[in-house]
Amino acid sequence: EAGVAQSPRYKIIEKRQSVAFWCNPISGHATLYWYQQILGQGPKLLIQFQNNGVVDDSQLPKDRFSAERLKGVDSTLKIQPAKLEDSAVYLCASSFPGQGSNEQFFGPGTRLTVL
Amino acid sequence: GESVGLHLPTLSVQEGDNSIINCAYSNSASDYFIWYKQESGKGPQFIIDIRSNMDKRQGQRVTVLLNKTVKHLSLQIAATQPGDSAVYFCAENRDDYKLSFGAGTTVTVRA
Repeated sequence: EAGVAQSPRYKIIEKRQSVAFWCNPISGHATLYWYQQILGQGPKLLIQFQNNGVVDDSQLPKDRFSAERLKGVDSTLKIQPAKLEDSAVYLCASSFPGQGSNEQFFGPGTRLTVL
Repeated sequence: GESVGLHLPTLSVQEGDNSIINCAYSNSASDYFIWYKQESGKGPQFIIDIRSNMDKRQGQRVTVLLNKTVKHLSLQIAATQPGDSAVYFCAENRDDYKLSFGAGTTVTVRA
């Protein structure tokens, strides 16, 4: 079974620029999550999708961050404009709730550096 | 703030010894807990989970213990190997399959 795919793996931009990350979840997984992981910390949930609908985006800084999952499969996370404090690893995860486990499968992440 | 945290940020263990990683949580309503392992440059990888109606669960070389009275979770790794060097996170499930992660413990295995 293929895992969660993310691209790019690394991105370096200057502050005030825009950036987008892409995630392809495990086939059949209805739930998709985006996390932000700042160096030395645990992942922090930004947004959760169920199919193509948003379940929770309470931690998403909506003035600069946006995310979509139009067809209920792939997802993109965008930052516009980026700030220095956005430097982090952005992790995508997916899960298939209802199998008796809440296990989330994570992708390798995109490491963003904002200069 | 975060409701799940680990007691120690780092743990150094001799190869072959047993490791114990601790985690405290504050949300007594949490009903599901997961331990993840994260190696450098990779995403977190599921190790083992436990539901709140259990106090112990065993996997391959790993055991998770849950003490709901003091809201404490621990991960025991038997016969620690170099490949066990990583950052370990405990995470609690609050609702609707959302996980809240602690800060993590970095485990270093000495040869």
